[in-house]
Amino acid sequence: DAKTTQPPSMDCAEGRAANLPCNHSTISGNEYVYWYRQIHSQGPQYIIHGLKNNETNEMASLIITEDRKSSTLILPHATLRDTAVYYCIVRVAGVGNNRKLIWGLGTSLAVNP
Amino acid sequence: EPEVTQTPSHQVTQMGQEVILRCVPISNHLYFYWYRQILGQKVEFLVSFYNNEISEKSEIFDDQFSVERPDGSNFTLKIRSTKLEDSAMYFCASSEWTANEQFFGPGTRLTVL
Repeated sequence: DAKTTQPPSMDCAEGRAANLPCNHSTISGNEYVYWYRQIHSQGPQYIIHGLKNNETNEMASLIITEDRKSSTLILPHATLRDTAVYYCIVRVAGVGNNRKLIWGLGTSLAVNP
Repeated sequence: EPEVTQTPSHQVTQMGQEVILRCVPISNHLYFYWYRQILGQKVEFLVSFYNNEISEKSEIFDDQFSVERPDGSNFTLKIRSTKLEDSAMYFCASSEWTANEQFFGPGTRLTVL
């Protein structure tokens, strides 16, 4: 089972920041937080990942709390094309097994004009 | 930008028939994966593959399923005798190494009649 919980749905106005929360209270010290999204049954798309520091790339920012029990994905200026299901996944890094991604139901984000 | 490709985009087959789903991972990637998503349900891990052998598989990946890297570019998923419940989107993914993000293909929609 997925080790994360996310709200089932959220709305956001176009041009505003979308803040998507994720709880992962049982995360282990060697587990990263990954975010993917899936636009209308297309292949999932990687967004960002982090261990304990905040991360930013061209798509989004990831804020991880100091105790690492929760995180927030921030899309700074949401567009209609950001309408998708967003998945927060924790995963062990490094070699060995357990490379698989275990998916929950994610958050369905609707960006409204 | 390099991408994972999958063929066919849609496959319709009769129950009991064999199907082969094909994937071309990103060229310098070493780790390959198959996931599936039944309509309206979660994405589910099937199998991971590295160095020409299965490194991990799920309970779904039973004796009816097999994977192969027949040459330097293709990665295939074979279902020997399809069942109605095999109807799903099948996604191939690849990654450069274990800790990195997985890049997904657009998927193959398998319909078993």
